Amino acid sequence: GAVVSQHPSWVICKSGTSVKIECRSLDFQATTMFWYRQFPKQSLMLMATSNEGSKATYEQGVEKDKFLINHASLTLSTLTVTSAHPEDSSFYICSAQRPGSGNQPQHFGDGTRLSIL
Amino acid sequence: GQNIDQPTEMTATEGAIVQINCTYQTSGFNGLFWYQQHAGEAPTFLSYNVLDGLEEKGRFSSFLSRSKGYSYLLLKELQMKDSASYLCAVRDSNYQLIWGAGTKLIIKP
Repeated sequence: GAVVSQHPSWVICKSGTSVKIECRSLDFQATTMFWYRQFPKQSLMLMATSNEGSKATYEQGVEKDKFLINHASLTLSTLTVTSAHPEDSSFYICSAQRPGSGNQPQHFGDGTRLSIL
Repeated sequence: GQNIDQPTEMTATEGAIVQINCTYQTSGFNGLFWYQQHAGEAPTFLSYNVLDGLEEKGRFSSFLSRSKGYSYLLLKELQMKDSASYLCAVRDSNYQLIWGAGTKLIIKP
């Protein structure tokens, strides 16, 4: 079964709205979660690494004030797209990795398809 | 810089075998992963290699040669549902996952 849950699956909203996406690890504690963005027919792009109890680490070119990440517990990370505009429309996917040895893969949530009108 | 190369697209016939190659140049190596991603869905984990050699999982096998910076994913007895993108990812010395752009596999009847 799923080990990472992501909600919502779809969001359609007006320009200027802020949208919050939740990512939960279901049966393990994840000190680190990852947020990706994927445009149609393009590869995954890592946006940021979410660290429990501390600030997220953002990739170059990703606006921290635009994409707010909160990792307040060991099983939940949230991504808030603030004042979203049509160019923010994309497929956002989170992932988490079970703690332990380095052979643990990242497990992905089902993704959130965001459409800004 | 860090780089992962895989073919953009491949076509194969139902019931056949296909090999998807991946070459990488990364800062250190702590394992290579293959993921499958169907259109409009999130990636799902397929395989992991950290030592040289072949790992077999049912119809899917993955091979690694660290000295050559090379891996392949072998899919046997292809089914229509195998039509998807296949992503190669390498974990570097900082345990960061570096992603390839993916190979779109098209299966024809």
